[in-house]
Amino acid sequence: DAKTTQPPSMDCAEGRAANLPCNHSTISGNEYVYWYRQIHSQGPQYIIHGLKNNETNEMASLIITEDRKSSTLILPHATLRDTAVYYCIVRVILSQFYFGTGTSLTVIP
Amino acid sequence: ETGVTQSPTHLIKTRGQQVTLRCSSQSGHNTVSWYQQALGQGPQFIFQYYREEENGRGNFPPRFSGLQFPNYSSELNVNALELDDSALYLCASSLSLGSHNEQFFGPGTRLTVL
Repeated sequence: DAKTTQPPSMDCAEGRAANLPCNHSTISGNEYVYWYRQIHSQGPQYIIHGLKNNETNEMASLIITEDRKSSTLILPHATLRDTAVYYCIVRVILSQFYFGTGTSLTVIP
Repeated sequence: ETGVTQSPTHLIKTRGQQVTLRCSSQSGHNTVSWYQQALGQGPQFIFQYYREEENGRGNFPPRFSGLQFPNYSSELNVNALELDDSALYLCASSLSLGSHNEQFFGPGTRLTVL
């Protein structure tokens, strides 16, 4: 059980912000929230992770609710190259990642 | 610094055969994990190696086995191949054990079982 729920697919207009939600209502207090993405037939690529506080890096921002039961990955200005499957992962045991089925994001020109 | 590499890129086998897939971890990484990704699904954890010892295993039968070598490269062996073993096999390395160590994935090996 991956412990996460994500919408199967989303569209976003090029240049707009893409907001990808993830529910993880059974997350434990010491479990991090990770986001990876997988462009077609390539290996997954790390995006960002966080525990409680909001995080930002050069790729994205991660917003985690105060109760930690959900989070949102924000790609501030989506480009066509951001079209990919995005995975939210919370079940991680000693670097063993348990993936769900992810959200297929399509960026539309 | 080289990333995670995997070989071969593609492989076709027939049912009942055996296959060996190879992975070179990122420089300095002592932990390697293997994943199976069926079409349309997320990667599923197979097992993990840390300093040449198996450190955890997912819900896969014993015909899936592995090795890690002193240079931290790794092999995944699958015996008695079945049609359902057709998938993308991903290798990932990380700096060490620990839940917030980022995993670096290789490009994968696409296995087709006929």
